[in-house]
Amino acid sequence: EVQLVESGGGLVQPGRSLKLSCVASGFTFSNYGMNWIRQAPGKGLEWVAYISSGSSYIYYAETVKGRFTISRDNAKNTLYLQMTSLRSEDTALYYCVRHTARGLDYWGQGVMVTVSS
Amino acid sequence: DIVMTQAPLSVSVTPGESASISCRSSKSLLHSNGITYVYWYLQKPGKSPQLLIYRMSNLASGVPDRFSGSGSETDFTLKISRVEAEDVGIYYCGQLLENPRTFGGGTKLELK
Repeated sequence: EVQLVESGGGLVQPGRSLKLSCVASGFTFSNYGMNWIRQAPGKGLEWVAYISSGSSYIYYAETVKGRFTISRDNAKNTLYLQMTSLRSEDTALYYCVRHTARGLDYWGQGVMVTVSS
Repeated sequence: DIVMTQAPLSVSVTPGESASISCRSSKSLLHSNGITYVYWYLQKPGKSPQLLIYRMSNLASGVPDRFSGSGSETDFTLKISRVEAEDVGIYYCGQLLENPRTFGGGTKLELK
């Protein structure tokens, strides 16, 4: 069974940093591209970042470019999102999402990040 | 960026009846390889989104065949036949043709 389990969220002050993790299981993690997608409270879905299976290709939404860094450790089956210079508008539920030829086929349960003083 | 526009914002359906949700993209999602890179997702209350339809008209694994997707290069439709209580939630269309990946604003399906 495919599982994606996010962690590392919490309450953080504006301007501070936070690092999210997503541990994958039930599939060969190193074969798949991965995404972070977020959802602000009561709002829709916003794609944040993508990383290819071997980390050769990395893309970011303009809203986070230069502040967030996506990375992965295939030996640990883990996806990361390093978030710096956090703003109130970054407050959201962050999902770790698997990317396949059939689309975004598995989503984690999400981890909440709240940016507030 | 490719803008995805959904309609209606919400739809109320009698169980057993059909429902249709529309999605329009600001740019053709038809790639030169013949694949149309539009997808449909359902977010049930309190849950993570789940993939329903991939590449415009293909049913994702485990999704009932009451769901179907169709469309052209920029106009897409998700149809739900014989709506059931478990179909309640917010439906999103999304595109994977190019970065940034974008989603529609969502359509909330409720039961009458």
